[in-house]
Amino acid sequence: DQQVKQNSPSLSVQEGRISILNCDYTNSMFDYFLWYKKYPAEGPTFLISISSIKDKNEDGRFTVFLNKSAKHLSLHIVPSQPGDSAVYFCAASVPSGGSNYKLTFGKGTLLTVNP
Amino acid sequence: SQTIHQWPATLVQPVGSPLSLECTVEGTSNPNLYWYRQAAGRGLQLLFYSIGIGQISSEVPQNLSASRPQDRQFILSSKKLLLSDSGFYLCAWSASSVRYFGPGTRLLVL
Repeated sequence: DQQVKQNSPSLSVQEGRISILNCDYTNSMFDYFLWYKKYPAEGPTFLISISSIKDKNEDGRFTVFLNKSAKHLSLHIVPSQPGDSAVYFCAASVPSGGSNYKLTFGKGTLLTVNP
Repeated sequence: SQTIHQWPATLVQPVGSPLSLECTVEGTSNPNLYWYRQAAGRGLQLLFYSIGIGQISSEVPQNLSASRPQDRQFILSSKKLLLSDSGFYLCAWSASSVRYFGPGTRLLVL
């Protein structure tokens, strides 16, 4: 049972336009959501996160929106740049005791930004 | 600032051979440590996590094992590799919900 789904395996956008990456989840206990960016043969890099008590978090060109009623979050990148081309993973977190958090990842979306 | 190291970066091993991948973290104390695997075309699968020295939790039963001999050292091992063990292995640390990943080790079992 896949609790975090990224239904688009790939997305292609033109440089300067907006990229919108989507993520759906099923577990209502998730209380923190994260986006990671991954280049080939490298580890994922933390990009931006949002708590379940918020509906928007912005950091420069990156904005994450959370719609709890729809169990949906999205990452907006504007304007998109060729260097943004990478695989983007959505992740959702729930406390699992002590200092540990159970983090569930989606399968990723490959974003290609064309010059 | 915190830094996480993994080595080797790439490894080619024959089936049935042993495995030892090492991960160390600098700049933080008593981190939670994790081993993940990314198989080709798939997402990130949590293999093991550790909340302290000698404390290992396994998420997926398999022929791999993990150990944490020191606070900031995490080792992934196998006595006999299988073809299906090929993949990209990632170590990560956290002190909160955010997980910070190392550069990864690409393992090819032939």
